[in-house]
Amino acid sequence: GIQVEQSPPDLILQEGANSTLRCNFSDSVNNLQWFHQNPWGQLINLFYIPSGTKQNGRLSATTVATERYSLLYISSSQTTDSGVYFCAVVRGSGSRLTFGEGTQLTVNP
Amino acid sequence: NAGVTQTPKFQVLKTGQSMTLQCAQDMNHNSMYWYRQDPGMGLRLIYYSASEGTTDKGEVPNGYNVSRLNKREFSLRLESAAPSQTSVYFCASSRTGGKNTEAFFGQGTRLTVV
Repeated sequence: GIQVEQSPPDLILQEGANSTLRCNFSDSVNNLQWFHQNPWGQLINLFYIPSGTKQNGRLSATTVATERYSLLYISSSQTTDSGVYFCAVVRGSGSRLTFGEGTQLTVNP
Repeated sequence: NAGVTQTPKFQVLKTGQSMTLQCAQDMNHNSMYWYRQDPGMGLRLIYYSASEGTTDKGEVPNGYNVSRLNKREFSLRLESAAPSQTSVYFCASSRTGGKNTEAFFGQGTRLTVV
């Protein structure tokens, strides 16, 4: 099956700092999503981004499908950004997501 | 708009007991999924249903059964719970194929088997 690797596994920031999270995948994909899992365990949709660039407030994402990676940018981080960020992809037909192991982000005040 | 709703939110079972996790979605999606998340890991697919009346195994199906009751509802059953099934279970739904297959998740069920 497809492999999804996220880096770094852990990231600690001071409030106000910027960060970049990376997702590499081993095969071509039809769908890529970024999720934020908050400290209460809820999975929040951030981006549906099989290719191109999208922005939503302080967050933006870029997927370069031909080079098999996606980046999630967080600018001016806040303590509420803490949690785990997951990348998940769909390969081939259908819609089943395969998840990476996540990046644990801690933003300190 | 509720999205994806799971019940219960928490459950403690004794080894060997059975239970059914319920999931319902109101987005008119054809596809529904059950995932499990173990500590420090990503989500792994247990079973999925691409349409009403069809179900297929995912990555970790052993010890589970599913029922796609209708288009809205997809249940997950543990016939004889084992401590290895202690996990957080997530239900999700999406369109099947096409241009936008964005998946949406329920709030999760935290299951402990003692």
